[in-house]
Amino acid sequence: GAVVSQHPSRVICKSGTSVKIECRSLDFQATTMFWYRQFPKQSLMLMATSNEGSKATYEQGVEKDKFLINHASLTLSTLTVTSAHPEDSSFYICSARDRAGGPTGELFFGEGSRLTVL
Amino acid sequence: GQQLNQSPQSMFIQEGEDVSMNCTSSSIFNTWLWYKQDPGEGPVLLIALYKAGELTSNGRLTAQFGITRKDSFLNISASIPSDVGIYFCAGSNTGTASKLTFGTGTRLQVTL
Repeated sequence: GAVVSQHPSRVICKSGTSVKIECRSLDFQATTMFWYRQFPKQSLMLMATSNEGSKATYEQGVEKDKFLINHASLTLSTLTVTSAHPEDSSFYICSARDRAGGPTGELFFGEGSRLTVL
Repeated sequence: GQQLNQSPQSMFIQEGEDVSMNCTSSSIFNTWLWYKQDPGEGPVLLIALYKAGELTSNGRLTAQFGITRKDSFLNISASIPSDVGIYFCAGSNTGTASKLTFGTGTRLQVTL
């Protein structure tokens, strides 16, 4: 089946540094990818919609300068947490839809990336 | 952002028992989905529902899309230890490029 891979799966960084998380669709092309954030024992909250070749669409309350999203190709989207602080520590999950599947095609989720900011 | 309310929040059941959980929303969705998430991993799709009133099964799992399009339920029959995890419902409207709104989750724990 289709696979979405995230890297790194875990990252620990110092406060004030920037961290980049990659989301790749391994065997399909995705014009749209989604980035979610999940705090411990909570649900997934959509942060932004990443569109290939154009600017990302951010959800209300999500700082676009804080969470930089780049969707440079049909198989790769990156999320960069800039000047990370301890409150940014969370589980970040991406999802992607095979563009060949149309609007009701299945969304595939990555395995998540756990960010810990010291 | 908006969330869907799931109940129960958590449940302990004995192996072999049937499980039922539901999800309600204040707004309409055109698609309802049920996911399972294991610790430290991304969610995995269990069942997708595309029509109001639709009842769909996937092995021991059965889910229904409510007539009002504001609710859905998931049943698991004859639970086994590997059913342990967090179950999320999610709603989507295809006109919004398939953004998903996730439910609050139901944590399932099975005792032997």
